[in-house]
Amino acid sequence: DTEVTQTPKHLVMGMTNKKSLKCEQHMGHRAMYWYKQKAKKPPELMFVYSYEKLSINESVPSRFSPECPNSSLLNLHLHALQPEDSALYLCASSPRDISYNEQFFGPGTRLTVL
Amino acid sequence: SQKIEQNSEALNIQEGKTATLTCNYTNYSPAYLQWYRQDPGRGPVFLLLIRENEKEKRKERLKVTFDTTLKQSLFHITASQPADSATYLCALPRTGSQGNLIFGKGTKLSVKP
Repeated sequence: DTEVTQTPKHLVMGMTNKKSLKCEQHMGHRAMYWYKQKAKKPPELMFVYSYEKLSINESVPSRFSPECPNSSLLNLHLHALQPEDSALYLCASSPRDISYNEQFFGPGTRLTVL
Repeated sequence: SQKIEQNSEALNIQEGKTATLTCNYTNYSPAYLQWYRQDPGRGPVFLLLIRENEKEKRKERLKVTFDTTLKQSLFHITASQPADSATYLCALPRTGSQGNLIFGKGTKLSVKP
């Protein structure tokens, strides 16, 4: 299995809702990432997990809460989001978060906040 | 702070020609540089990685060069095909955090039949 899967594919939520995005990989990778991508912009790093521990939080608002229950699974919990949080949320993984690692991206979750 | 520039937002070429995309960076010396392809509504797909001590890397119809003096990478697609139409992103490691990437804004390539 050489892919990263993300569910759901699309998500529409209100500003008072709580929802979660899920990401899974079975390549044995030990680093997993969340990115946010707005239209016509490059992906922007949000969080990095290395060996199931949060190693980087790029000053992301607390309404986004990541979780790494095990080495294959990464969640992003969403609560009280704003319309400007609407974007494509990408998950990626790499063998380790050290030099020279290519990142494998999932197809993304298209999030719309009403 | 480190800065990445992909000079062209869009590049239109004729099928069969060579597409050349540029990535420039300032204010640091990365140990490597990566190129990704992204199709609309999809995640980026890794294409090539080139290290600072490598001048050139090839993979099928793709070629990447890395000039650390000019602080520039060129990405070439030879014998381009309409299926090569996509956005191409260069990515460099974040200063002080190897393995974590900063992406350029991308160049949207359109190959016309």
